[in-house]
Amino acid sequence: EVQLVQSGAEVKKPGESLKISCKGSGYSFSSYWIGWVRQMPGKGLEWIGIIYPGDSDTRYSPSFQGQVTISADKSISTAYLQWSSLKASDTAMYYCARRVAQFDYWGQGTLVTVSS
Amino acid sequence: EIVLTQSPGTLSLSPGERATLSCRASQSVSSSYLAWYQQKPGQAPRLLIYGASSRATGIPDRFSGSGSGTDFTLSISRLEPEDFAIYYCQQYGSSPHNFGQGTKLEIK
Repeated sequence: EVQLVQSGAEVKKPGESLKISCKGSGYSFSSYWIGWVRQMPGKGLEWIGIIYPGDSDTRYSPSFQGQVTISADKSISTAYLQWSSLKASDTAMYYCARRVAQFDYWGQGTLVTVSS
Repeated sequence: EIVLTQSPGTLSLSPGERATLSCRASQSVSSSYLAWYQQKPGQAPRLLIYGASSRATGIPDRFSGSGSGTDFTLSISRLEPEDFAIYYCQQYGSSPHNFGQGTKLEIK
């Protein structure tokens, strides 16, 4: 059974750094792109970017380029989304999803709250 | 980048009725790389339709997708109580693989 399990909710202060994770199981993690999607409170879905764990090829939306970093460690079947300096506007639910072309399996989401 | 515009923003219908949701792209979506997702409160999105018209595994046949180029439609033939949710389209033919802003399907 394909599963994506994300790390738990985070509460951070503006300016702090953060790295959230997404662990895949039940399939060959290195062979499928993993994507990240943001959902701000009460809003729609926003495509952040994707990574191919096999060679770490990464693509970003222009809206998120330079704001976040996507990475992966194929040895432990885990993808990451990280911020070097959080802002209050980063408060959102973040989902990872497996990409076959469309996103076919999704993680449960990680809620990130940034507040002073 | 391709911008997707969904209409209507909110659709109010009763169980048993037919729902028709629209997704229009700012430029042609290559190879009909268009997907539809359903999201219920507090849940992650769920894939319904991919390739504009193929149902994902386990999706009931009351859900159907159609369209090509810049105009796509998700139809739900006979609404069940569990179908009331928010629906998003997404194009994955050219990066960034943007989503539409969503259509909320609510009980009338």
